[in-house]
Amino acid sequence: DIVMTQSPDSLAVSLGERATINCKSSQSVLYSSINKNYLAWFQQKPGQPPKLLIYWASTRESGVPDRFSGSGSGTDFTLTISSLQAEDVAVYYCQQYYSTPSATFGGGTKVEIK
Amino acid sequence: QVHLVESGGGVVQPGRSLRLSCDASGFTFSTYAMHWVRQAPGKGLEWVAVISYDGTNQYYVDSVKGRFTISRDNSRNTLYLQMNSLRADDTAIYYCVKVLLEWELRGLVDRWGQGTLVTVSS
Repeated sequence: DIVMTQSPDSLAVSLGERATINCKSSQSVLYSSINKNYLAWFQQKPGQPPKLLIYWASTRESGVPDRFSGSGSGTDFTLTISSLQAEDVAVYYCQQYYSTPSATFGGGTKVEIK
Repeated sequence: QVHLVESGGGVVQPGRSLRLSCDASGFTFSTYAMHWVRQAPGKGLEWVAVISYDGTNQYYVDSVKGRFTISRDNSRNTLYLQMNSLRADDTAIYYCVKVLLEWELRGLVDRWGQGTLVTVSS
């Protein structure tokens, strides 16, 4: 099974500052024949279900603000919030969907306002 | 607009059974695989099961194999999760989740229901 490891577990960032979350997979999630990374990012606010932010490692879901961006390839990935807003306080999860049909999630990173 | 509404959760004793339902609307249910994902209180997300768009293929996380059964009724636009021999560690919010791509079984998911809470306790 592919294990997803996120870091840090939590971080506090000032409003308007950059937040960076890392995600590492235990094996590559890059499908080299089509050059796609099978990696998604979700945002979960308290009392709500997760919301898809990014898929294919860097494709923003429709309606997601452009301050959210995803990068990385193979086994190492990053979610960046370029200018943190109050409404971005949430837990963020990475997820691999390379190992069809199952999917595994990272442990989550809690983002708070400093 | 995609709408997924889970029901059937509640408090159940260890060893008993429960059946969850998920009513889907706002998309062509019969062309999308569906997943169940759970979240224990205060914990992270765990994939549980997936069923193909036509119901012919089902897959499970090891911890529920032989105890849980995922099924669907495309005529009713409804997804099910039959949970037998429930254990305390099955306590979680269970989410019904739609895949992004038609026909695809893969776990690229885009829409989640609000979830239904299952509590296994004596």
